[in-house]
Amino acid sequence: QVRLVQSGAEVKKPGSSVRVSCKASGGTSSSYAISWVRQAPGQGLEWMGMIIPKFATTDYTQKFQGRVTITADESTSTAYMELSSLRSEDTAVYYCNFFDSNSYHYWGQGTLVTVSP
Amino acid sequence: SYELTQPPSVSVSPGQTARITCSGDALPKQHAYWHQQKPGQAPVMVIYKDIERPSGIPERFSGSSSGTTVTLTISGVQPEDEADYYCQAAGTSGSYWMFGGGTKLTVL
Repeated sequence: QVRLVQSGAEVKKPGSSVRVSCKASGGTSSSYAISWVRQAPGQGLEWMGMIIPKFATTDYTQKFQGRVTITADESTSTAYMELSSLRSEDTAVYYCNFFDSNSYHYWGQGTLVTVSP
Repeated sequence: SYELTQPPSVSVSPGQTARITCSGDALPKQHAYWHQQKPGQAPVMVIYKDIERPSGIPERFSGSSSGTTVTLTISGVQPEDEADYYCQAAGTSGSYWMFGGGTKLTVL
């Protein structure tokens, strides 16, 4: 069983950046991918991008290309998502999603990022 | 717009069967996953690889697939099944994921 623990809520100014972390425990000995998914208030789930830590390869959806950077530290089984040039529309709950070699998806508890002047 | 299309809402009475569909061109080539999300909570996967049920998910949850449509079926719906349900699949290139717009299941 995989457990994902994300960093705490953030309040940011427009134009600044935010970095959210996601630490995985259990199930990290084999190959896996970590995606970042966000959910604006009252809206659905939106996939932002992912990383396969074993290969350090990343893929991003076009909407966030150039503004989002996903990294991972295999030694600590921690993934990071940094979003820059924040605007009010980036106010959302950000989830990490762990996809393992058994085709299971696990979710972190979510991190609320609020962008406000 | 979404590359996976779900009905915005489905309503059923307790004990009835709820069916939530998800349509998309990628579905004949890519497995679908279903996630349940209750208010204020993180999603939880309830079906993976179209038809498989993770351990701990009640047997009343099942999945099926036919062509460009996958279906989540909840047999004998319980009040606690009221939630938003999202389908997920990889894109045709396999290098990205996408979600349907979500379906709100209301238990009358």
